[in-house]
Amino acid sequence: NAGVTQTPKFQVLKTGQSMTLQCAQDMNHEYMSWYRQDPGMGLRLIHYSVGAGITDQGEVPNGYNVSRSTTEDFPLRLLSAAPSQTSVYFCASSYSRAGGSSYEQYFGPGTRLTVT
Amino acid sequence: GENVEQHPSTLSVQEGDSAVIKCTYSDSASNYFPWYKQELGKGPQLIIDIRSNVGEKKDQRIAVTLNKTAKHFSLHITETQPEDSAVYFCAVRGNEKLTFGTGTRLTIIP
Repeated sequence: NAGVTQTPKFQVLKTGQSMTLQCAQDMNHEYMSWYRQDPGMGLRLIHYSVGAGITDQGEVPNGYNVSRSTTEDFPLRLLSAAPSQTSVYFCASSYSRAGGSSYEQYFGPGTRLTVT
Repeated sequence: GENVEQHPSTLSVQEGDSAVIKCTYSDSASNYFPWYKQELGKGPQLIIDIRSNVGEKKDQRIAVTLNKTAKHFSLHITETQPEDSAVYFCAVRGNEKLTFGTGTRLTIIP
């Protein structure tokens, strides 16, 4: 298994540009999520999905959109990039949502985004 | 929402000594408490976890203790080695979401 893959690894955007961060997993996980990591602030949840067709907002959703049309893919869209969105973005997946047998989240390698 | 505090933010220990990192949380309904290790340039990786019906769990040199009454849990690393140097995050799961602490940078001094 490739696990959780993310593309691109690095990206530089100008303010106002849009782009999509790709995330895919091949473990048939129901639950997928996006986090951003900023110095001194840990990982903060942006959006998450408990299954295909179902998404919900996390702690910091503004400026980001997600969709989940398949179990495998969970892209994150930046609608109009701002310097405040400069961060490292991690996608993660796990077997189950509440009540399941395993909550372990598997993280991708991250995308380092700079907005100028 | 859930509030997770993690201390200390940095920790340096001599190789072979023990390291302890502590986290407190606010939501008494939270039921799952993992610890992640993040090496430079990589995504976090689960190293140990504990559920709310267990007080302690051990895996070789790593242990986690949970005090549900006081709403805090701790990571214990014994006989530290240079490869233990990394950033460690605690997390708390409630209502289908994981909330992370702000991280502890652990440095093992040879």
